[in-house]
Amino acid sequence: AQKITQTQPGMFVQEKEAVTLDCTYDTSDPSYGLFWYKQPSSGEMIFLIYQGSYDQQNATEGRYSLNFQKARKSANLVISASQLGDSAMYFCAMRGISGTYKYIFGTGTRLKVLA
Amino acid sequence: DTGVSQDPRHKITKRGQNVTFRCDPISEHNRLYWYRQTLGQGPEFLTYFQNEAQLEKSRLLSDRFSAERPKGSFSTLEIQRTEQGDSAMYLCASSLGNSGDTQYFGPGTRLTVL
Repeated sequence: AQKITQTQPGMFVQEKEAVTLDCTYDTSDPSYGLFWYKQPSSGEMIFLIYQGSYDQQNATEGRYSLNFQKARKSANLVISASQLGDSAMYFCAMRGISGTYKYIFGTGTRLKVLA
Repeated sequence: DTGVSQDPRHKITKRGQNVTFRCDPISEHNRLYWYRQTLGQGPEFLTYFQNEAQLEKSRLLSDRFSAERPKGSFSTLEIQRTEQGDSAMYLCASSLGNSGDTQYFGPGTRLTVL
């Protein structure tokens, strides 16, 4: 069975500093996708970044990068130069390629950026 | 606005009533998903459509829940005889069906069952 684990219920970071949000996963699928979403208090899930299991390089999107360590089954999100608007819930998700397209989500990490 | 839209954004109902939610996906997306999110949890998968065909349904989805996607465009999620345990945020997402298949979410419908 697939599983996503986010062990940090809450994190604080000083504005302009970098922060790493942890995500580990478990799957028996040989091919899978890993995603990070941001959920502000308004409730909408905002897509941030995607990493395919066969991608050779770590994904980057602006201030977001994904530290993908396949052997350790981890897909940590790094946010550089934190901004006050980054304060939100962050969810890691996984999709198996074989036979299903649903996402499995972790329980999330609440990030608070301090001025 | 060309994103995923959901209607209504909020719904308050009494236990035992039926409710229906609507989702309009991004126009060129052929896959549509429904998720449910309760407080302090990540979204949980409910069901998924490829065009008009409902291809997967979670065991979480009791017989009181039904979803349709006529003509492969918008989708509706109906809950019959609502219970207090149905109170949650109902999220809709759509995707293009390409190799990455990133899902884009709507703003959600928050259901409160009194």
